[in-house]
Amino acid sequence: QVQLQESGPGQVKPSQTLSLTCIVSGGSITSGDYYWTWIRQHPGEGLEWIGSFYSSLSSYYNPSLKSRVTISEDTSTKQFSLKLTSVTAADTAVYYCARERFIRDGGGFDVWGQGTMVSVSS
Amino acid sequence: DIQMTQSPSTLSASVGDRVTITCRASQTISSCLAWYQLKPGKAPKLLIYQASSLQNGVPSRFSGRGSGTEFTLTISSLQPDDFASYSCQQCDSYPWTFGQGTKVEI
Repeated sequence: QVQLQESGPGQVKPSQTLSLTCIVSGGSITSGDYYWTWIRQHPGEGLEWIGSFYSSLSSYYNPSLKSRVTISEDTSTKQFSLKLTSVTAADTAVYYCARERFIRDGGGFDVWGQGTMVSVSS
Repeated sequence: DIQMTQSPSTLSASVGDRVTITCRASQTISSCLAWYQLKPGKAPKLLIYQASSLQNGVPSRFSGRGSGTEFTLTISSLQPDDFASYSCQQCDSYPWTFGQGTKVEI
């Protein structure tokens, strides 16, 4: 069965770029059957959808973050990544990667990583 | 953006209780509504999709219903493993949005 694991630094300095990787095991991100997604949760708050990637020609981002976010894939290493530029303390959160089903298949995020805490501080 | 509002924010209950969590959308949405269980340090778990469909492997004590702007998640008989936070999510229109969460505690 597919498993996801987030990887990346736990601390990033303000104004720098937050880079996280999601390692996919037990499946392929090139199957074409799912979106690959990043979601975050600020301390004490609800979940926030960051964006979903299907291919270089089909990705969707939260408008609130769109100018700073890139989600991309590395098919050779079975990973997909998140880059968030110009971070501030407001980007401190637990970051999750997840697999998203197409609406025709029911929608929803059916596989998640355990999450990784990223703090933005100098 | 579609705002999702959950109630209550916190729910105190006991093993064996029937509990219901409500999620209200700021506008009418399709039945594309999912419910998740969240526990600290663990991967969130999809419980319900399309408002009322039970995800594979999820115990039948979990059920969902609703349409339009009001949706509910019900746990028919609360088990020790169910003490957790629960969140709804709409997939009717981008950006996908979540409720703020409901914590079910003893």
